[in-house]
Amino acid sequence: DAKTTQPNSMESNEEEPVHLPCNHSTISGTDYIHWYRQLPSQGPEYVIHGLTSNVNNRMASLAIAEDRKSSTLILHRATLRDAAVYYCILRDVQGGSEKLVFGKGTKLTVNP
Amino acid sequence: EPEVTQTPSHQVTQMGQEVILRCVPISNHLYFYWYRQILGQKVEFLVSFYNNEISEKSEIFDDQFSVERPDGSNFTLKIRSTKLEDSAMYFCASREYRGRGNQPQHFGDGTRLSIL
Repeated sequence: DAKTTQPNSMESNEEEPVHLPCNHSTISGTDYIHWYRQLPSQGPEYVIHGLTSNVNNRMASLAIAEDRKSSTLILHRATLRDAAVYYCILRDVQGGSEKLVFGKGTKLTVNP
Repeated sequence: EPEVTQTPSHQVTQMGQEVILRCVPISNHLYFYWYRQILGQKVEFLVSFYNNEISEKSEIFDDQFSVERPDGSNFTLKIRSTKLEDSAMYFCASREYRGRGNQPQHFGDGTRLSIL
């Protein structure tokens, strides 16, 4: 699986936007970029995914660089409930593997 | 919103004993997974299951582990003879089948397995 690089931790204030970066310089043309998060004492939770175009859903936005070597997860207004570890994961839809390969992710702290 | 449910939330077992972790995936999902997370470490893939057979497994998933879908709703992970190092959070996940694996996996909140 192609590797992703994320900062170990980030901090934000409540109700402010948060931009969580992810580098994936070895991404292949068939890799989708997935984001999951893990709240304390819970299982991972799907956030968003995309291939080339920017994506929006009710939880977040995903901005993908034109060369696809990096992406940014955007939380438009952070809440205390958004404090979690955020994982950026590449999924090759052409490959046979079903597994998600989790890294250490970015631990987001949201200050009140 | 439908969700993956796991029971029990916490299981305490003596080393060497067998343990069965249970999961009820989302009802129309066809792919099933187990992952584990040792305290303070990354989430690790164990096994994927589709069409009543294992489709992929990791090196962790040795002969002590087995999975089963005994009926139309449950998906179980069995550890035959538990070791201290099996202590971890075990997460079940499921995915709807719509073409190649672009769809998200939906996770339960896990079973904390403590081996004494």
